[in-house]
Amino acid sequence: DVKVTQSSRYLVKRTGEKVFLECVQDMDHENMFWYRQDPGLGLRLIYFSYDVKMKEKGDIPEGYSVSREKKERFSLILESASTNQTSMYLCASSWQGAKNIQYFGAGTRLSVL
Amino acid sequence: GNSVTQMEGPVTLSEEAFLTINCTYTATGYPSLFWYVQYPGEGLQLLLKATKADDKGSNKGFEATYRKETTSFHLEKGSVQVSDSAVYFCALSEYTGGFKTIFGAGTRLFVKA
Repeated sequence: DVKVTQSSRYLVKRTGEKVFLECVQDMDHENMFWYRQDPGLGLRLIYFSYDVKMKEKGDIPEGYSVSREKKERFSLILESASTNQTSMYLCASSWQGAKNIQYFGAGTRLSVL
Repeated sequence: GNSVTQMEGPVTLSEEAFLTINCTYTATGYPSLFWYVQYPGEGLQLLLKATKADDKGSNKGFEATYRKETTSFHLEKGSVQVSDSAVYFCALSEYTGGFKTIFGAGTRLFVKA
């Protein structure tokens, strides 16, 4: 089974802190994604990556950056956390041969105080 | 642009009741359609999919048929169980220079014993 692991289930940070959310997948998937999930809004794509060191902006990239130095790891960075970034963050990966089927991690619930 | 609209929740049913969760979409081409499910405390997982018109996806007693004429992909189950309590997301994916998945807002289902 595909396993997508997010490093933290819950995080509490202060406004202005730099925050790192880590995601690792163990199935050698080429594609990785970061979403945020908010009630009534579903999932919104923040950034995605089709290859190592490659990144593309999603629908809501403002206030975020990403890093993909190794194929299995995709990090989401909040350069200066703000209260409106309090949310559930979901990482996903997919195989190049079946690009449109995504496998998700359990999520990180981030609270910014 | 592409979009997915699904019925608002929560939906509350008694065990063994019939379930329908409505989903309609707008797309410029010929997308693939999906239902994902999110159980409490977990990430999303693929429930079923359909890749072309009139295809029926099915899994775990759930079914959905790709209706191009009505741009719909309604989720149905004949007899729900308490263990089906979860949030259900309708989604579409289309290749537009890269695969992008659009998710609906999600519908929370509560099943009472």
